[in-house]
Amino acid sequence: SQTIHQWPATLVQPVGSPLSLECTVEGTSNPNLYWYRQAAGRGLQLLFYSVGIGQISSEVPQNLSASRPQDRQFILSSKKLLLSDSGFYLCAWSRTRSGELFFGEGSRLTVL
Amino acid sequence: RKEVEQDPGPFNVPEGATVAFNCTYSNSASQSFFWYRQDCRKEPKLLMSVYSSGNEDGRFTAQLNRASQYISLLIRDSKLSDSATYLCVVNVRDDKIIFGKGTRLHILP
Repeated sequence: SQTIHQWPATLVQPVGSPLSLECTVEGTSNPNLYWYRQAAGRGLQLLFYSVGIGQISSEVPQNLSASRPQDRQFILSSKKLLLSDSGFYLCAWSRTRSGELFFGEGSRLTVL
Repeated sequence: RKEVEQDPGPFNVPEGATVAFNCTYSNSASQSFFWYRQDCRKEPKLLMSVYSSGNEDGRFTAQLNRASQYISLLIRDSKLSDSATYLCVVNVRDDKIIFGKGTRLHILP
């Protein structure tokens, strides 16, 4: 069966510090991978998605970046965090041409 | 126009009532449609897919109107446990999957 793991679950970071969130999927190959962010009391905002290694589409250029170093690994990064980066970050995968998403447990980021 | 739009609510509905949500999408080439449920501070969970012919799962019925570019979710005989945020999700193109902002539902005892 397929599983998705995301970490860390919780982190508190000062403004201007770097960020790295990691997500891995097991039990499937060539998944579509997604990073979403949910600010407090708001909907899920698509940040990045990838339909294959080396293919990353960005929806919010700002100060975040994503990489897919391996088929089933998706990393969200920032060199310098802003206060507005606080939120609940969710990694998800789906099968090609599906739309049914399978989510990780989420990473709750607080930037102080 | 936003890619996926929903009424944020909240909808305050007495237990046992029927409630309906709508969602509109802007890209007529959108490929697949879903309703998700999200409980407070948790990840979203798939509630049901939405098919052109309409589909039903117990007390839940989903419908798609491609001509008018909207999807709907109907909940019959609502339960207290139905209280949650309901998210409309659209695969708008090439596996770009967009969420609506969600509709909050409160079932009142």
